Parts: sequence; C-alpha cells; structure tokens
Amino acid sequence: EDQVTQSPEALRLQEGESSSLNCSYTVSGLRGLFWYRQDPGKGPEFLFTLYSAGEEKEKERLKATLTKKESFLHITAPKPEDSATYLCAVQGPGTGGSYIPTFGRGTSLIVHP
Amino acid sequence: DADVTQTPRNRITKTGKRIMLECSQTKGHDRMYWYRQDPGLGLRLIYYSFDVKDINKGEISDGYSVSRQAQAKFSLSLESAIPNQTALYFCATSEQGSYNEQFFGPGTRLTVL
Repeated sequence: EDQVTQSPEALRLQEGESSSLNCSYTVSGLRGLFWYRQDPGKGPEFLFTLYSAGEEKEKERLKATLTKKESFLHITAPKPEDSATYLCAVQGPGTGGSYIPTFGRGTSLIVHP
Repeated sequence: DADVTQTPRNRITKTGKRIMLECSQTKGHDRMYWYRQDPGLGLRLIYYSFDVKDINKGEISDGYSVSRQAQAKFSLSLESAIPNQTALYFCATSEQGSYNEQFFGPGTRLTVL
C-alpha cells in the first residue's frame, strides 16, 4: 500500500525566512511525485511533477527535490502570498495497475509580514 | 472560463435527503475523480472513472454513487445524506497515462444537518 507522510503539519514563517517542507513516501514503482498548492476553500492547484531521484524543479520562490524516499519543497524568502496548504502525492501502479495517486495530509504554511 | 466546474458550490441539506453534486470539464480528459476533504484527513478518493464505461470505487465509496453521463460529466450522489458526510467535495480530471497531474474543480461545500 502506498503511503505519504508530510511534515510538519503546520509551519509559521516570517517573511523572508526560508524553510523546507518534507514529503516522505513508500510506493512500489514510483511513476511520479506531485506537489500541489491549496488555498482555503479552493481546489488544489498543480505545482510540480518529479519523476526520478535527483530531479529538481523550480518555480519562483519554490524548488522541489526528490530522493528515493522523500521529497522536499524548499521555499526561499517567502512572502505572505505563499501562505497556503501544500499537498504531496505519489503515483505508482497501485492495485491492479490503476495508477491512482495517494495524497499526504498536507502542510499548512503561514507567512507573516 | 474554468476548465473544471462543480455545481452547486455550497449546499445545506437535511439528514435522509438525496443530493447530487455535478462536475463538468472542458479539458478533454478521459479520467475523472471524486474526492472528499475533511480537516486533518486530507483528500480521500470516493470514486474514479477512466472512461464513460469504466467506474471504480475508491477508499470511501460507502454511502455514495456516481454516474458518468459523458466524457465531460461525472456526477456524485448521496442517496440518503447523513451528518458525517458534511465535507468539502472535489472533482478532478487527468489525462490517460500513469504519471499525469490532476486538475481540480473549485469544490462543493456540503453541510448535512
């Protein structure tokens, strides 16, 4: 069974204070690891897909990295508008090759001005 | 216009009532999903469909049913609503393939009294 654990559950930062969010996973035959951003009361919005260990992707102040056991979402010099819940999901063959993603519970990030 | 739309956006109903939540997409994706989100529990999969003739149960399908009326439409029904079905419901779509990101609708906030 695929498993995804995100830590910390909640993170408070001051504007400009860089930090990282962690996503630890267990999956047989990883096909992709996804990061999403979710604003309160809205649907998750896709950020990145990582396919193999060592891969990195960047978007503005966000940088996602991947190892064989975990992924990090690094936030450099965050701004208040980066406040959101960040979700991690992994996709493997699953039961019967269904390739349904498994989501973590998310990290709630608040950036104070 | 949004690629994935959900109606209604908010609904308050009473225990025992039948409720239908609707999802439409203009992305041309074959795969559609229904999730519910509860505080602290993350996204949980209710049902998914890989094409019009393919419907599959997710991890929490009890008390729910679905209908895939067309490639672009996927409805979720609660035959007899109960208070613990109060949650935020999301529809999502993705392309065929084993490593494609999902695109989420704006969500339906359902309250069962």
